[in-house]
Amino acid sequence: EVQLLESGGGLVQPGGSLRLSCAASGFTFSNYAMSWVRQAPGKGLEWVSGISVTGAGTYYADSVKGRFTISRDNSKNTLYVQMNSLRAEDTAIYYCAKDSFASGTYPRFDFWGQGTLVTVSS
Amino acid sequence: QSVLTQPPSVSGAPGQRVTISCTGSSSNIGAGYDVHWYQVVPGTAPKLLIYDSTNRPSGVPDRFSGSRSGTSASLAITGLQAEDEADYYCQSYDSSLSASGVFGGGTKLSVL
Repeated sequence: EVQLLESGGGLVQPGGSLRLSCAASGFTFSNYAMSWVRQAPGKGLEWVSGISVTGAGTYYADSVKGRFTISRDNSKNTLYVQMNSLRAEDTAIYYCAKDSFASGTYPRFDFWGQGTLVTVSS
Repeated sequence: QSVLTQPPSVSGAPGQRVTISCTGSSSNIGAGYDVHWYQVVPGTAPKLLIYDSTNRPSGVPDRFSGSRSGTSASLAITGLQAEDEADYYCQSYDSSLSASGVFGGGTKLSVL
């Protein structure tokens, strides 16, 4: 059974940093691209960032480019996102999503985690 | 404002058929990029409902079906059930953006 377990969310002040993790199990993690998708309160889904199987390919939404860094550790079956210079508009539930493919270029999200809440507020 | 446009809400009575549209452009759906649909029940993990415009993952009831034509795609739900009440999102790729993934704004389905 595919399982994705996000952690690391919480309350952070504007301008602060946070690192989210996603522990994967139930599939060969190193064979699939992964992404982070978020949902702000009362809003829709927004793709945030994606990474290819080796980490050589990384992709970002314009809203987070230059502030967020996605990475993965295939030896630990874990996906990360380092979030810096956080803003109030980054407040959202952050979901880890498994891609059906290796590259991450044209994503299709076949499994999702339950999400972790990030709140940016003073 | 998403490049994929969905109606904010749709509704139907149990047993009825409803459709949810996803309108794009020549840089996404019209360019032939695949369209996928997700179901989001508040408090639960999103679920892939339809992939590559018309295909259902294992375990998804055949009451759910997808189609596409030109620059648009649609999700149809027949035999509406109370548990279908959820938010539905289309997703594709847009060549005019730097982003890999793009979602529609989402549609809230209410079962009356």
